[in-house]
Amino acid sequence: AQSVTQPDIHITVSEGASLELRCNYSYGATPYLFWYVQSPGQGLQLLLKYFSGDTLVQGIKGFEAEFKRSQSSFNLRKPSVHWSDAAEYFCAVGDSGGGADGLTFGKGTHLIIQP
Amino acid sequence: GAGVSQSPSNKVTEKGKDVELRCDPISGHTALYWYRQSLGQGLEFLIYFQGNSAPDKSGLPSDRFSAERTGGSVSTLTIQRTQQEDSAVYLCASSFGQGSYNEQFFGPGTRLTVL
Repeated sequence: AQSVTQPDIHITVSEGASLELRCNYSYGATPYLFWYVQSPGQGLQLLLKYFSGDTLVQGIKGFEAEFKRSQSSFNLRKPSVHWSDAAEYFCAVGDSGGGADGLTFGKGTHLIIQP
Repeated sequence: GAGVSQSPSNKVTEKGKDVELRCDPISGHTALYWYRQSLGQGLEFLIYFQGNSAPDKSGLPSDRFSAERTGGSVSTLTIQRTQQEDSAVYLCASSFGQGSYNEQFFGPGTRLTVL
């Protein structure tokens, strides 16, 4: 069965500093990988996704993520965070083998931005 | 166009009562998903529909949970004889087609509190 681990429950970053959120997955083949953001009182919004090809993917709001097969990782990065980036971030894996279509999510990383 | 909508936004019920949660997907989206978000458990996939059919119901937590979809549109998640452990935010998502490569658009959720 597939699984996702987000090792950091909380991360605090100063505004303007760089950010990296970690995500490790367990899956038998190359999975479909996603990062979602959930702001307070809002639904989940897709930031970016990886299916195949270039391992560095660009998303919305200035985020990017890099797929590293050897490390089973899909870490999310942003060069300079803004106060509006404070939110809950979820990494997710989808079945690329034609199985169940629900996504498997990590438990999330809560991002706090310090002024 | 309108996004995914869910009702009610909040539901408080007494242990043992039945509840119905409603999801209106984006018009034209054939796939619909239900997830549960609870403290300590993160986001948990419950069930998905392709059209009116749910191929796999094994993600439902117990036989007190059921879901249906009619007319390829609205879906209801029913929880019978609610228990305190059912307290969570129930999220609905829809996508244009089945398969994890189709972006899932999430609704704002229904917060269920079982007293």
